[in-house]
Amino acid sequence: AIQMTQSPSSLSASVGDRVTITCRASQGIRDDLGWYQQKPGKAPKLLIYATSNLYSGVPSRFSGSGFGTDFTLTINGLQPEDFATYYCLQDFHYPWTFGQGTKVEIK
Amino acid sequence: EVQLVESGGGLVRPGGSLRLSCTASGFSFSNYDINWVRQAPGKGLEWIAHISNSGYTIRYAESVEGRFTISRDDAKNSLYLLMSILTVEDTAVYYCARRTAGDAFDVWGQGTVVTVSS
Repeated sequence: AIQMTQSPSSLSASVGDRVTITCRASQGIRDDLGWYQQKPGKAPKLLIYATSNLYSGVPSRFSGSGFGTDFTLTINGLQPEDFATYYCLQDFHYPWTFGQGTKVEIK
Repeated sequence: EVQLVESGGGLVRPGGSLRLSCTASGFSFSNYDINWVRQAPGKGLEWIAHISNSGYTIRYAESVEGRFTISRDDAKNSLYLLMSILTVEDTAVYYCARRTAGDAFDVWGQGTVVTVSS
């Protein structure tokens, strides 16, 4: 199975900061990667699909980039509602696999 | 409103079985691939099963292959997950999620809790 390694596993940041989360695949996955946000007790929400496409209704401060094995989620200007856990998901090859998650906490 | 609602969770003994349901509304269910994703307490997300819109393509994670069966009834706008030979490691919140043409999970249910315990 393709392993997705996210880093960091957690980070502390302040409102207004720029935050970068990375996801590395154990083998090339083209651009078949999405990013999800999850808040405690809630279902995940789609942010980015196919590496860099912003899902409808998602604020433009979220962006994604990468190809092959290395991917990045960037939040430009962190807002209070962005404190959550973020996951990447590869759907290039079964079994589809999530990264272990990155918890973004308030500094 | 586009919505997925899971049901059927509960407490089950190790070795037992349980069937989860996911009922769709607000969209043409038969046109979409649907998946099951679970989350053990305090842990990350784990994709476990996929069924294509036709029902022709079915895939499972290794952790559930041979024990879980995904199926759908488009006439009832419903997805199912039959879980058998359950172990404590299957304790989790189980979500169903719709897969878009852009190959991402855009609509999620609220989740149903499965607890496997003696």
